[in-house]
Amino acid sequence: AQSVTQLDSQVPVFEEAPVELRCNYSSSVSVYLFWYVQYPNQGLQLLLKYLSGSTLVKSINGFEAEFNKSQTSFHLRKPSVHISDTAEYFCAVSDRGRGSTLGRLYFGRGTQLTVWP
Amino acid sequence: NAGVMQNPRHLVRRRGQEARLRCSPVKGHSHVYWYRQLPEEGLKFMVYLQKENIIDESGMPKERFSAEFPKEGPSILRIQQVVRGDSAAYFCASSPDGTLYGYTFGSGTRLTVV
Repeated sequence: AQSVTQLDSQVPVFEEAPVELRCNYSSSVSVYLFWYVQYPNQGLQLLLKYLSGSTLVKSINGFEAEFNKSQTSFHLRKPSVHISDTAEYFCAVSDRGRGSTLGRLYFGRGTQLTVWP
Repeated sequence: NAGVMQNPRHLVRRRGQEARLRCSPVKGHSHVYWYRQLPEEGLKFMVYLQKENIIDESGMPKERFSAEFPKEGPSILRIQQVVRGDSAAYFCASSPDGTLYGYTFGSGTRLTVV
């Protein structure tokens, strides 16, 4: 089973500052990687994902994440945050299993990003 | 395409009562996954079902919890004799084929046990 570590439980930043939310996972086998965002009292929305190909993936709202296989990391970055980015961010991993484990995601504990004006 | 529909959005139960949580997957999706999010924690996998079959229930508590996904109708997560520790958000996700392509989460059911 995978273990996902989000090193920061809370990240406060001022508006227009850059931000990095860190994510590390345990296994060196081939993985799929995801970042989800959760706004208060809402469900999970997929922010971006790495399945194959380019190790740098981007979302439509300015976030990007880079898959680093040697460091087993998938850190999320944004060069300039907005107040509307305030939310909980979850890193998730699937270990490209077969059969019953293929669609199973392992989640980190989440990072609360708070953007101050 | 209405996405994954979960209801109710909020559910309050007294200790000892039963809770039934429903999940209607995306139209055409036949694979359903249930996750539980305890306060200040990430989501934890509970169970994976296909139509009429439980494929993987390794994340389900051994007692009081059960899940089904009948041929017709939504998937149901049932918790009998609820306790305060069952208070959590329960999320359902669906997939067309058991892979992560098209994997979609619902908005969750927030269960509060009083």
